[in-house]
Amino acid sequence: KQEVTQIPAALSVPEGENLVLNCSFTDSAIYNLQWFRQDPGKGLTSLLLIQSSQREQTSGRLNASLDKSSGRSTLYIAASQPGDSATYLCAVRNRTGTASKLTFGTGTRLQVTL
Amino acid sequence: SQTIHQWPATLVQPVGSPLSLECTVEGTSNPNLYWYRQAAGRGLQLLFYSVGIGQISSEVPQNLSASRPQDRQFILSSKKLLLSDSGFYLCAWGGWLDTEAFFGQGTRLTVV
Repeated sequence: KQEVTQIPAALSVPEGENLVLNCSFTDSAIYNLQWFRQDPGKGLTSLLLIQSSQREQTSGRLNASLDKSSGRSTLYIAASQPGDSATYLCAVRNRTGTASKLTFGTGTRLQVTL
Repeated sequence: SQTIHQWPATLVQPVGSPLSLECTVEGTSNPNLYWYRQAAGRGLQLLFYSVGIGQISSEVPQNLSASRPQDRQFILSSKKLLLSDSGFYLCAWGGWLDTEAFFGQGTRLTVV
């Protein structure tokens, strides 16, 4: 059974800092990995998608890496801003027949202070 | 472009009452659709998924059921709500070839 762990559970940093969020998973036979952002009381917004054959993916100030063999992914946020404050979720996708299943971590709650 | 709609945004229901949450997707055909629940302090849990009209797979035993009466419509239901059904319910579709999940804005359900 796939299990996903995210560390730390919460993080508070001053504006401008670079930071790293960690995600680990137990079954390395994943199809891909997706990072999401969730604002309080809202749905999930997809940030980055990394295929199992890729090592990293970048979008603006965000960079996600994937080490499938060791079951790890990191989300790097450069020059953090107060608007980055949210919960960040990591999810791994396993294929099953004609559907795919996402297994989520419990998230890292990020607060960026002025 | 594709969009996913969920309603209502919030719902307060008494124990024992029925439930119907609706999700629709626009701009695509034959999508894979998913219902997740996010309980307080816990991660998202997959409840049901559907690969086509009338095809429902259940991931966990529970008080809820799902139906897919039309290609782009996915409904989550209950005949009698329990307190433990409270949570944040999210609908998602799997994108092209079901390789990337896109979520609706969610429904906050409080059972009182």
